[in-house]
Amino acid sequence: AQTVTQSQPEMSVQEAETVTLSCTYDTSESDYYLFWYKQPPSRQMILVIRQEAYKQQNATENRFSVNFQKAAKSFSLKISDSQLGDAAMYFCAYEPSNYQLIWGAGTKLIIKP
Amino acid sequence: EPEVTQTPSHQVTQMGQEVILRCVPISNHLYFYWYRQILGQKVEFLVSFYNNEISEKSEIFDDQFSVERPDGSNFTLKIRSTKLEDSAMYFCASRGMGADGEKLFFGSGTQLSVL
Repeated sequence: AQTVTQSQPEMSVQEAETVTLSCTYDTSESDYYLFWYKQPPSRQMILVIRQEAYKQQNATENRFSVNFQKAAKSFSLKISDSQLGDAAMYFCAYEPSNYQLIWGAGTKLIIKP
Repeated sequence: EPEVTQTPSHQVTQMGQEVILRCVPISNHLYFYWYRQILGQKVEFLVSFYNNEISEKSEIFDDQFSVERPDGSNFTLKIRSTKLEDSAMYFCASRGMGADGEKLFFGSGTQLSVL
């Protein structure tokens, strides 16, 4: 079965520091997408970053970058220079060939001023 | 950037009542989805819709649920007889074709509370 695991229910980081959120997944497919979504208290789902499995290069979006290890089925999110506005729930999601996203349980990120 | 619009943002209903959640996907998108998130739980896939018919549905999407694209712009989720456990945030999403099809655009959600 395809699953996504986020082993950190909650993480905290000092403002301006760097934090890494972990995600592992299980699949037998070779072609797929991986995503990190941010959900602030408003509960809107906001795409942070996307990674295509066939690309070896790690995706980067400004202060957000991923460490994609395909063989290990690992997809961690690094947030550099953390800001107060980064505080939210972060969800890792896997998209198989049927396009039905499979979601992790989420990590609550707390930013300490 | 184009948006998926969902209305209402909050819906309160009595158990056993019918509710219709509305979504306006991005205009040139062809694939539509409903997901739900019960408070404190994972986001769950409900249904996908393409070419005016359901393409995939999960076990959650039983006979109490239905989807419709009544005109060229709206995409609705109907729950015929709501139960307490239907209380959740419901997200609509849409996807285009080609390069635009690589990204799922989410609406801001409808919070459904069943009393």
